[in-house]
Amino acid sequence: GNSVTQMEGPVTLSEEAFLTINCTYTATGYPSLFWYVQYPGEGLQLLLKATKADDKGSNKGFEATYRKETTSFHLEKGSVQVSDSAVYFCALSLQGAQKLVFGQGTRLTINP
Amino acid sequence: EPEVTQTPSHQVTQMGQEVILRCVPISNHLYFYWYRQILGQKVEFLVSFYNNEISEKSEIFDDQFSVERPDGSNFTLKIRSTKLEDSAMYFCASSGLGTADLSPLHFGNGTRLTVT
Repeated sequence: GNSVTQMEGPVTLSEEAFLTINCTYTATGYPSLFWYVQYPGEGLQLLLKATKADDKGSNKGFEATYRKETTSFHLEKGSVQVSDSAVYFCALSLQGAQKLVFGQGTRLTINP
Repeated sequence: EPEVTQTPSHQVTQMGQEVILRCVPISNHLYFYWYRQILGQKVEFLVSFYNNEISEKSEIFDDQFSVERPDGSNFTLKIRSTKLEDSAMYFCASSGLGTADLSPLHFGNGTRLTVT
């Protein structure tokens, strides 16, 4: 079946630290990969996406590269800010599909 | 920026009661979805809706669940007879196109349903 596994949270970092949140997937076929973010009190928002192998998605200083050989889509940011505190969800969809399959979410807290 | 709105933000109901969760999708979107997240678990797909009919549903979406677009703006999820295990955060989403890779899903803030 299709599934997404994220690193266990919560993750707590100091401001300006380097961030990595690991995400690996299992899929039948060739999925598109996504990172969604949920800020406190808000809905899920698309952060970035990649639709084929070796694509790099980027937004707001965050990056993730679609690695087919390791079935991974790790989220990285070079210098986090307090405003990055949120829950981050990795997700996939199969080509032509509407449905998103989510990971369990990783809560990130950035301390000043 | 247009957004998906959900009401109420929190609903408490007794086991066996019917609940209706309401959503107003983005006005020019054509595809509508419900997802849910049980506390501590993954966000799970429930159902997608297009052209006034269900286009896909998960195993979770059994006969106790139904969706409706009663007018041009609202999209509702009804649970006929709630069970304790229906307690979760329910997210509505909409998109302009029918595939997630082409058109991002826009999510509402969610309705927290508590069944007692």
